[in-house]
Amino acid sequence: DAKTTQPPSMDCAEGRAANLPCNHSTISGNEYVYWYRQIHSQGPQYIIHGLKNNETNEMASLIITEDRKSSTLILPHATLRDTAVYYCIVRVRNAGNNRKLIWGLGTSLAVNP
Amino acid sequence: SAVISQKPSRDICQRGTSLTIQCQVDSQVTMMFWYRQQPGQSLTLIATANQGSEATYESGFVIDKFPISRPNLTFSTLTVSNMSPEDSSIYLCSSEGLGYNEQFFGPGTRLTVL
Repeated sequence: DAKTTQPPSMDCAEGRAANLPCNHSTISGNEYVYWYRQIHSQGPQYIIHGLKNNETNEMASLIITEDRKSSTLILPHATLRDTAVYYCIVRVRNAGNNRKLIWGLGTSLAVNP
Repeated sequence: SAVISQKPSRDICQRGTSLTIQCQVDSQVTMMFWYRQQPGQSLTLIATANQGSEATYESGFVIDKFPISRPNLTFSTLTVSNMSPEDSSIYLCSSEGLGYNEQFFGPGTRLTVL
């Protein structure tokens, strides 16, 4: 079962910031939050991940609330090429102690000209 | 980052047959994963494949239906056996190397079973 909930779809104007929310209220203390995106007909692409602190890289910023029950992915200047399904994911350990990504349904982001 | 290729990119198969999907990584990795993505759906993990050991299957997936090989640190195969139309999906391979915190994905194999 997915450990995250996201809005099914969002729109954003080109050049503006896209803020994608995610709820993960049942996350455990040692479980990371990951964000991936999937452009139509391609494999998922890693964006960013974090545990407690806010994170920033060349693609995006990740803001995690202090209680870790929710997070927001920020694309600072969205372009048309950012149109994709964005997945907020919790990384857990499975029965074999292997790391495992639990995928939710994602948010379909449409960036409009 | 790792670059992953998959073969075939797509195939159309008859029910009752089997298809083997190949996954090649351009560097040595510790863990490889096989996912299924049904039309319009999210990704579901089928199994985790570590080199030198048997694959670990997720609930709802069994070795007889989805046998996996992992002969070395850069290659894995997934076989979809005795296929039915319900097996029509995109099958994705990913890898996670030692010291990496992220998984890198292949482009996927689009399978249609008639």
